[in-house]
Amino acid sequence: DAKTTQPNSMESNEEEPVHLPCNHSTISGTDYIHWYRQLPSQGPEYVIHGLTSNVNNRMASLAIAEDRKSSTLILHRATLRDAAVYYCILRDKGGAQKLVFGQGTRLTINP
Amino acid sequence: EPEVTQTPSHQVTQMGQEVILRCVPISNHLYFYWYRQILGQKVEFLVSFYNNEISEKSEIFDDQFSVERPDGSNFTLKIRSTKLEDSAMYFCASSAQGWTVETQYFGPGTRLLVL
Repeated sequence: DAKTTQPNSMESNEEEPVHLPCNHSTISGTDYIHWYRQLPSQGPEYVIHGLTSNVNNRMASLAIAEDRKSSTLILHRATLRDAAVYYCILRDKGGAQKLVFGQGTRLTINP
Repeated sequence: EPEVTQTPSHQVTQMGQEVILRCVPISNHLYFYWYRQILGQKVEFLVSFYNNEISEKSEIFDDQFSVERPDGSNFTLKIRSTKLEDSAMYFCASSAQGWTVETQYFGPGTRLLVL
């Protein structure tokens, strides 16, 4: 699986938007960009995924750069419950089923 | 919403003892996984399972580990002779299909402490 780079930590305030970046300069044409998060003392949880176009769901938005070498997970209005470690993971369309987690970004939300 | 469940939530065992961690995947899912997370470290893949066979395993998943789907609902991870370094959170996950775009749904984990 291609490598991703994320900041170790980020901090934001409640009810403000949060932009979590991920660099994946070696991404291949068949790699999907997935985001999972891990709330404290819980298992990882799917957030969103995309291939080329920006994606929206009830949890977040995913903005993918035109060259696909980077992406940004956007939480439109962070709440205290969004405090978690966020993982950006590349998954090859024809590749293994396993998820390969990096260190992720630890997001702290201030009240 | 359907969810993956795991039992027990916590398990303490003596080094050398066998442990079985249990998972009930989401009912219509076909692919099952075990991951572990040592305290303060990354989540690591152990094994994936489909159609009553291991489809992929990591180098961590050595002969001390085994998985089984003993009935239509449970998925188990057995560690035959636990070591201190097996202390970790163990997460079970399942997905409807094995495609890489498929979401994996994780359970809450079992915290294993080997003394």
